[in-house]
Amino acid sequence: NAGVTQTPKFRVLKTGQSMTLLCAQDMNHEYMYWYRQDPGMGLRLIHYSVGEGTTAKGEVPDGYNVSRLKKQNFLLGLESAAPSQTSVYFCASGNREQYFGPGTRLTVT
Amino acid sequence: RKEVEQDPGPFNVPEGATVAFNCTYSNSASQSFFWYRQDCRKEPKLLMSVYSSGNEDGRFTAQLNRASQYISLLIRDSKLSDSATYLCVVNTQSSGSARQLTFGSGTQLTVLP
Repeated sequence: NAGVTQTPKFRVLKTGQSMTLLCAQDMNHEYMYWYRQDPGMGLRLIHYSVGEGTTAKGEVPDGYNVSRLKKQNFLLGLESAAPSQTSVYFCASGNREQYFGPGTRLTVT
Repeated sequence: RKEVEQDPGPFNVPEGATVAFNCTYSNSASQSFFWYRQDCRKEPKLLMSVYSSGNEDGRFTAQLNRASQYISLLIRDSKLSDSATYLCVVNTQSSGSARQLTFGSGTQLTVLP
């Protein structure tokens, strides 16, 4: 049972480049989430989804887009990366408690 | 005021010690409460849910005081492997939205040999 997986694990982008982070879960959860974690800031919710085909904004959605075409997958896109988006990104799923993926460390130069 | 506040620590305790972490939350409508632990450069992992009557899981005891909007975690007989950051997490479900969790910034614990 893989739980929640994320790809890639690490990435370095130049300002203005785009990328997509992929999250997959095999626990049949309806709810999925994307967070970013920065030193001293704790985890902050970027976007979330309450089911296939649905997405909604969280606390810090600007500069990000998401899609949930399949129940098990939740994609996070950065259309034009900025240095302020340097962070660790965690995906989570869960209908009450949340279970986290291993994270993606993104550096934008 | 932050929605979920924790003492950031660090707490440095010897092996075998008892240590307690506290957390306060600002939204009286909060419905579910959790403690997560996060090891360095790893993802947060659920440690335990916190129930109104208090609950225990081995060496870990969690308590909730809704009137004071206060949550606590007690670790008895600390082990080296307990060294981690402990996150206080509160769920406030908005109408029609997902079960959004609000995370505290965490309390860092180091258990010393």
